Amino acid sequence: GDSVTQMEGPVTLSEEAFLTINCTYTATGYPSLFWYVQYPGEGLQLLLKATKADDKGSNKGFEATYRKETTSFHLEKGSVQVSDSAVYFCALKLGQAGTALIFGKGTTLSVSS
Amino acid sequence: DTGVSQNPRHKITKRGQNVTFRCDPISEHNRLYWYRQTLGQGPEFLTYFQNEAQLEKSRLLSDRFSAERPKGSFSTLEIQRTEQGDSAMYLCASSFRRIVSGETQYFGPGTRLLVL
Repeated sequence: GDSVTQMEGPVTLSEEAFLTINCTYTATGYPSLFWYVQYPGEGLQLLLKATKADDKGSNKGFEATYRKETTSFHLEKGSVQVSDSAVYFCALKLGQAGTALIFGKGTTLSVSS
Repeated sequence: DTGVSQNPRHKITKRGQNVTFRCDPISEHNRLYWYRQTLGQGPEFLTYFQNEAQLEKSRLLSDRFSAERPKGSFSTLEIQRTEQGDSAMYLCASSFRRIVSGETQYFGPGTRLLVL
């Protein structure tokens, strides 16, 4: 079935380090891809998305490129901050609307100063 | 746009009791989703409404679970005869499809349920 696989955490980095969180997917069609972030004690927030192959989503210094050939949507940030500490979820959605998101298990990022 | 709200934020109950959660979506959103998230896992889909119609239910939604969305506004999720395995975070999301940018689901803060 359709699924999302994320690298296992926790990921521990020092401030200003480069971040990569790997995400690969399996899908029967052509999904839209998303990264959501969950800060401690808060709900899921959309971080960025891409709806077709080669699209790049970006927000708050984070980027991810939809790679159809490798079925991947890796999240990157050039210089992380302590405030980026959170759980990051990769997700896919098939179809135009009215279909559920399929999430990965999440990757915990901890950034120290 | 005040965001998706959920009440209560926390609920502790004893096994066998019934509980009901409420979700208020973003006002112009016609689609509403319920998900369940257990510790260390990503959210899992439970059910989906378009306006007042419940269009899809996951196999995770046993017959002890029921959801409604009267008049296509707020939604309630009820769990009857709760079990310890029902302990989880219950998330609500709403969306409105746009022609150019497609559909994005916006999540509420969740209701954390603990069944003793």
